[in-house]
Amino acid sequence: DAGVIQSPRHEVTEMGQEVTLRCKPISGHNSLFWYRQTMMRGLELLIYFNNNVPIDDSGMPEDRFSAKMPNASFSTLKIQPSEPRDSAVYFCASSLQVAGYTFGSGTRLTVV
Amino acid sequence: KQEVTQIPAALSVPEGENLVLNCSFTDSAIYNLQWFRQDPGKGLTSLLLIQSSQREQTSGRLNASLDKSSGRSTLYIAASQPGDSATYLCAVNGGNKLVFGAGTILRVKS
Repeated sequence: DAGVIQSPRHEVTEMGQEVTLRCKPISGHNSLFWYRQTMMRGLELLIYFNNNVPIDDSGMPEDRFSAKMPNASFSTLKIQPSEPRDSAVYFCASSLQVAGYTFGSGTRLTVV
Repeated sequence: KQEVTQIPAALSVPEGENLVLNCSFTDSAIYNLQWFRQDPGKGLTSLLLIQSSQREQTSGRLNASLDKSSGRSTLYIAASQPGDSATYLCAVNGGNKLVFGAGTILRVKS
């Protein structure tokens, strides 16, 4: 199993541009999570999906953030327009019911 | 709202010491608790998963215990090595999502 796959690994973009982060969960896992990690706030849950349906998006900071899961093997997190304060590492994780979570390697986003 | 606290925030020890990292949580209604390791600039690696019905889990030199009623977990690292240097994160699963502590930064000196 290749684990949770995220792309790109690094993204540098200019303020105001649209950014799309991608995630492929582990096959057979039915839950997918997007987290953001910063030095100031640690790991924060942005949104999670169960069986491709968004369950809780209360962690999404603003309307500039949106996430989709069109099928069981793919999810995107989009920021439009991006701002410098969005700079962080974004992690995707997947799990099966109450089994442990597996995290991807993350996408380091820098907005200049 | 679940809150997770990890103590100490940072720890520096000489190689070979046995050490204990502490995690406490406010809501005891949990499904499981997971310990992760994170190296600088890297992702999270799962170390141990303890289900709510279990008291402890072991993997090599690592042992994690869970006392759900008191809202506490400890991660015990035996015979620490410089390669153990990393940030250790405790995360509690209260139903459908993990809530993380701020982590313990561990440095093992050779």
